[in-house]
Amino acid sequence: DAMVIQNPRYQVTQFGKPVTLSCSQTLNHNVMYWYQQKSSQAPKLLFHYYDKDFNNEADTPDNFQSRRPNTSFCFLDIRSPGLGDAAMYLCATSTSGNTIKYFGPGTRLTVT
Amino acid sequence: EDKVVQSPLSLVVHEGDTVTLNCSYEVTNFRSLLWYKQEKKAPTFLFMLTSSGIEKKSGRLSSILDKKELFSILNITATQTGDSAVYLCAVASSGNTPLVFGKGTRLSVIA
Repeated sequence: DAMVIQNPRYQVTQFGKPVTLSCSQTLNHNVMYWYQQKSSQAPKLLFHYYDKDFNNEADTPDNFQSRRPNTSFCFLDIRSPGLGDAAMYLCATSTSGNTIKYFGPGTRLTVT
Repeated sequence: EDKVVQSPLSLVVHEGDTVTLNCSYEVTNFRSLLWYKQEKKAPTFLFMLTSSGIEKKSGRLSSILDKKELFSILNITATQTGDSAVYLCAVASSGNTPLVFGKGTRLSVIA
């Protein structure tokens, strides 16, 4: 059974057109993460929620926002996607602490 | 600054070979080291290591941690083409600071 679900799996958007990626989890984990991964690179953490506490990485562009309306769901909003934002976006969860055992399948974003 | 270095960055072997992937780290307040396998999708968890010298094993894969020398190895015996993937190493420190990932080792197993 899927435990971390991401939708859509593939997203094509136009330059500058806002896009929202979603993540849901059935694990009841209190920490949720959003990573950006470009080709042949390690995942790069954008931000994470510890319960409702939002933690933004210092180098995450302002163009990227996130919402976590409840324990199960987390959204990544890209307000004005640029060509450089084309990447795989990974959602992950963990219990208290930072040991990630569960990643979602990812959303591959293409910007045209 | 915390860092994780994996070597080699890429590796090509023939089916049946045994491979050893390396991960060294410099992290403040080390808690655990994790290995993931990533094919053309999200990383899947392989092992979590917290104690030195205790081998974790799953089928043909095994891993061990040396906290004194600050490294871990991932061994794959009798490799198969299905082992072809990027293997990521990540280190967790105490508290809630995020994982630090290495750049990965791209393993290609050819028939």
